[in-house]
Amino acid sequence: IAGITQAPTSQILAAGRRMTLRCTQDMRHNAMYWYRQDLGLGLRLIHYSNTAGTTGKGEVPDGYSVSRANTDDFPLTLASAVPSQTSVYFCASSAGGAGYTFGSGTRLTVV
Amino acid sequence: DQQVKQNSPSLSVQEGRISILNCDYTNSMFDYFLWYKKYPAEGPTFLISISSIKDKNEDGRFTVFLNKSAKHLSLHIVPSQPGDSAVYFCAASRGGADSSYKLIFGSGTRLLVRP
Repeated sequence: IAGITQAPTSQILAAGRRMTLRCTQDMRHNAMYWYRQDLGLGLRLIHYSNTAGTTGKGEVPDGYSVSRANTDDFPLTLASAVPSQTSVYFCASSAGGAGYTFGSGTRLTVV
Repeated sequence: DQQVKQNSPSLSVQEGRISILNCDYTNSMFDYFLWYKKYPAEGPTFLISISSIKDKNEDGRFTVFLNKSAKHLSLHIVPSQPGDSAVYFCAASRGGADSSYKLIFGSGTRLLVRP
C-alpha cells in the first residue's frame, strides 16, 4: 500500500447498526483526520488526532468516535448509525503541515 | 456558520481561457490557505497554498492571490484545460504551514472546462 487506504469503499448499512470505517497510512504521518463530504457543505471535520494516543473533536463529532492506538491506524466508529450519517467519508493524514494526503473515501448509505 | 465560503457552486469556462475561483473567509486568525482539487470517486489532492505573509503564489498555470484586508482569496488557472475539470475546495488553517492544525474547508466549486 502507498499513502492512505480506506475500507470499505462503499457500504449500505441499516439504521441502528454499528459500523467501523478503517483508515491506514504508511507514511508515518503524526496527524490524522476524518472528514465527511456532503453536497453543498464541502468537507467537514469529524475527529482528528495530532499524534498516536491523542484524539480531538472537530466540527461535527456527534454520533462518531475514533481511536489512535498506533501511528498508522485511525478507525472511525458509528455506534448506532442514522440516515443523516449518509455521506462520503474521507480519511487524511499530515506530517505536521497543512498539506494533507487524503484517502479515496468510503461512501456510506444508512437506510 | 461557515468560516470558509465558496459562493459559486459551479463555473464553466472555454479551454484556453482563464478560470477564476473565489473564496472568502471570516476568521482573521487563519494564516495559511490552500486549494485542493477533487475528481469524482477520488480523494482531494493538494494543488497550491499561500501563507498570510504573502499576497501571491504561483505554480505553473496556477496562481493563488490573497487579499487579507478583504478576507478573500482566489485561484487563477491560465490557460484552462479540459483536464482541469474537477471540484475545487478552498481551505484555511491557523498556526502556519508547519502546524498540524485542522483545515476548515469551503463547500467547493465545480469547474467545467469546455473543449
